[in-house]
Amino acid sequence: LAKTTQPISMDSYEGQEVNITCSHNNIATNDYITWYQQFPSQGPRFIIQGYKTKVTNEVASLFIPADRKSSTLSLPRVSLSDTAVYYCLVLISSGSARQLTFGSGTQLTVLP
Amino acid sequence: DAGITQSPRHKVTETGTPVTLRCHQTENHRYMYWYRQDPGHGLRLIHYSYGVKDTDKGEVSDGYSVSRSKTEDFLLTLESATSSQTSVYFCAISEPLLLANADTQYFGPGTRLTVL
Repeated sequence: LAKTTQPISMDSYEGQEVNITCSHNNIATNDYITWYQQFPSQGPRFIIQGYKTKVTNEVASLFIPADRKSSTLSLPRVSLSDTAVYYCLVLISSGSARQLTFGSGTQLTVLP
Repeated sequence: DAGITQSPRHKVTETGTPVTLRCHQTENHRYMYWYRQDPGHGLRLIHYSYGVKDTDKGEVSDGYSVSRSKTEDFLLTLESATSSQTSVYFCAISEPLLLANADTQYFGPGTRLTVL
């Protein structure tokens, strides 16, 4: 299984940009990295996904360097409602088979 | 939100009893997954299914079995519940992109299981 490592917690203030990094090993060229957001008592919710360079959507950006040993989730101008736990997920697939490794999660607290 | 329901949402049971959790989807997605979430461990994959009657083990499959007789339903059974299986269980579904390893998962609301 791929091993993933994330910071346990981060604090930020409203309006700031937040970057959360996930370190991962043993991933192949086409293996995707996905980030999820989870609020208390809810299931994780998809944020963004990619496998190389940079991906941007309406809520976040994902940066993956050339060596693919890490990925960084960037949340622009966070608000109080972005306080949540953020997980990275490495998916390794081969045909129908799946190996999924979630990071242990980063608790982001946004302060006023 | 993706049409995923889990039942029951909460259950308390005793050690040694069998327990079955149900996941139901209305999205016709091919893949379905069962995870458990425990403090300090994040989400860990128990079993997954890639079609009717097609299942495979995940990272923490010991003590669990699954069945998928219809596309929309994926059952997780604890054959003889133990206190170590007290956890929050999440079901997820996905439909992988063709010609790519992208696989966006959509999660259900979770089932909180307590084994006394």
